[in-house]
Amino acid sequence: GQQLNQSPQSMFIQEGEDVSMNCTSSSIFNTWLWYKQDPGEGPVLLIALYKAGELTSNGRLTAQFGITRKDSFLNISASIPSDVGIYFCAGQLKYGQNFVFGPGTRLSVLP
Amino acid sequence: DAGITQSPRYKITETGRQVTLMCHQTWSHSYMFWYRQDLGHGLRLIYYSAAADITDKGEVPDGYVVSRSKTENFPLTLESATRSQTSVYFCASSESDGRWYEQYFGPGTRLTVT
Repeated sequence: GQQLNQSPQSMFIQEGEDVSMNCTSSSIFNTWLWYKQDPGEGPVLLIALYKAGELTSNGRLTAQFGITRKDSFLNISASIPSDVGIYFCAGQLKYGQNFVFGPGTRLSVLP
Repeated sequence: DAGITQSPRYKITETGRQVTLMCHQTWSHSYMFWYRQDLGHGLRLIYYSAAADITDKGEVPDGYVVSRSKTENFPLTLESATRSQTSVYFCASSESDGRWYEQYFGPGTRLTVT
């Protein structure tokens, strides 16, 4: 099946630092989603992106739909301890199809 | 408001046993989904349902059975559990309008098959 790659796999940052992560594929997607999963919980939707080049913010989080439609980026500004968790991207190849999820980026924030 | 709940939260079963994982949502969402989460694989779709009595296979349906007699419930059954089905299982639901892809996930069921 289709595969999404996320990088980095994991990252350790200091509180207050900015964070960048990305999601790439060899296929063209028409929708990108970013989820966050806290330990022991289910994923929660953060941001949805619908067209190439789109830049969308949700508080300190900003995500972009790559121009090539094969990638997406998530940035977190001024990280805080509650940002700890696993961040997943998900892509949809065609409208109406189910989403493919990436393996996740595990974020740790050091005080 | 309960939202979406899963039971049990933890389950240990033996190879060959039948086990059913329950999912219940209180939003009257049309769509419901079952995923499994394994290290290095992210979330993989097992089955989904667009409405009561309508179900369809996802990416990894083998060894699983679903039913949806009521809109609010979407049980997942492992007919004869295998060790490869040890995983964390998530149920999700979403609305039927243009935002059907905004899925709301339950807390998960951690299943261990010995």
